[in-house]
Amino acid sequence: NAGVTQTPKFQVLKTGQSMTLQCAQDMNHEYMSWYRQDPGMGLRLIHYSVGAGITDQGEVPNGYNVSRSTTEDFPLRLLSAAPSQTSVYFCASRARVDEQYFGPGTRLTVT
Amino acid sequence: SQKIEQNSEALNIQEGKTATLTCNYTNYSPAYLQWYRQDPGRGPVFLLLIRENEKEKRKERLKVTFDTTLKQSLFHITASQPADSATYLCALDRSFGNEKLTFGTGTRLTIIP
Repeated sequence: NAGVTQTPKFQVLKTGQSMTLQCAQDMNHEYMSWYRQDPGMGLRLIHYSVGAGITDQGEVPNGYNVSRSTTEDFPLRLLSAAPSQTSVYFCASRARVDEQYFGPGTRLTVT
Repeated sequence: SQKIEQNSEALNIQEGKTATLTCNYTNYSPAYLQWYRQDPGRGPVFLLLIRENEKEKRKERLKVTFDTTLKQSLFHITASQPADSATYLCALDRSFGNEKLTFGTGTRLTIIP
């Protein structure tokens, strides 16, 4: 099993550009989530999904969209990048009540 | 909303001693609590999960306690080693099946040889 994979590892965007962060898992987990991690702020939940076709907002959803068309994939879209979105983004998946598996992260810089 | 505090941002412990990290929460009692380890430049890795009806959980040199009266969890690493140096995060979930896992900001643990 590859676990949770994320692409790209690094990305630099200009303000106003859009992009999609990719996330995939091969563990057949129901739950998938996106977090951002900033110094002193910890991990903050952006969006999550409890199954294909079902998504919901987390703590900091503004400026981000998600969709879950398959169990395996959960892409995160930045609609119009802003410097405040400079962060490290982690995708995670888990079975319903169980440990959460994290991807390696995407380091995003918006200039 | 749930607030989680991890006792200190950084903790230095002499090799061989027991490291104790604290996680305090406010508001509702979580159904369970998890501890993760995060190394620089990497994603968090799950260590232990403890449920609200469990007082203590052990895994090798790791021990977690959960006191719902004090609204606190303690995470212990016994016989600490330099390889245990990392940031440790606690995370809470309100109820089984609720995906909104809330994380603390973490404690950066350094084990000094």
